[in-house]
Amino acid sequence: VMTQSPDTLSVSPGERATLFCRASQSVSTNLAWYQQKPGQPPRLIMYGASNRVTGVPGRFSGSGSGTEFSLTIDSLQSEDSAVYYCQQYNKWPPLTFGGGTKVEMK
Amino acid sequence: QIQLVQSGAEVKQPGASVTVSCTTSGYIFRDYYIHWIRQARGRGLEWMGRIDPNGDVRTYAERFQGRITVTRNTSTNTVDMHLTDLTVDDTVVYYCARSSGRYRFDYWGQGTLVTVSS
Repeated sequence: VMTQSPDTLSVSPGERATLFCRASQSVSTNLAWYQQKPGQPPRLIMYGASNRVTGVPGRFSGSGSGTEFSLTIDSLQSEDSAVYYCQQYNKWPPLTFGGGTKVEMK
Repeated sequence: QIQLVQSGAEVKQPGASVTVSCTTSGYIFRDYYIHWIRQARGRGLEWMGRIDPNGDVRTYAERFQGRITVTRNTSTNTVDMHLTDLTVDDTVVYYCARSSGRYRFDYWGQGTLVTVSS
């Protein structure tokens, strides 16, 4: 089971947002993060816990291993408003996602 | 460019079945897995199953076993997801998504809304 916190994060423009994802058992670094905007499919932004996908801005960074992970967005921009999901791909089936964290501009 | 294009929205009655298609292009079809993931309105993501287009091996989530069938056509580079015994709880958006052997999803279809209503 993947648990994300908080459910919603309100951050002022230019500030830092930190999102958390916890796994009920170790997933090593087999963790991905997705960004989803309304009406769109999710977009892969991070894999291997800390590897940024090509084209994703450098203000996005990921860390963690085992059961505790975080996604940090430095200097939040308006286009970063979205729901963010973590997903483990260490042990399957099933592949599992966290419940999501909504990031909104304050 | 890499594209996964899904079939259009469907409206079904309870107890019916639905097939959602995912037509891929821009990459070597046999080199990647195709997964089906669904999302209720305003809710999270749920993995349903996947197919290996190269070996035609299928794996499904336990909760969908017996109701889901995923097939592929290597001539048209298309993957179909067939779901039977629909209930109102199956009223969600269905996505196909691509992965390599590491099961993270780098390309997604646009989504297909299936509405189950009497």
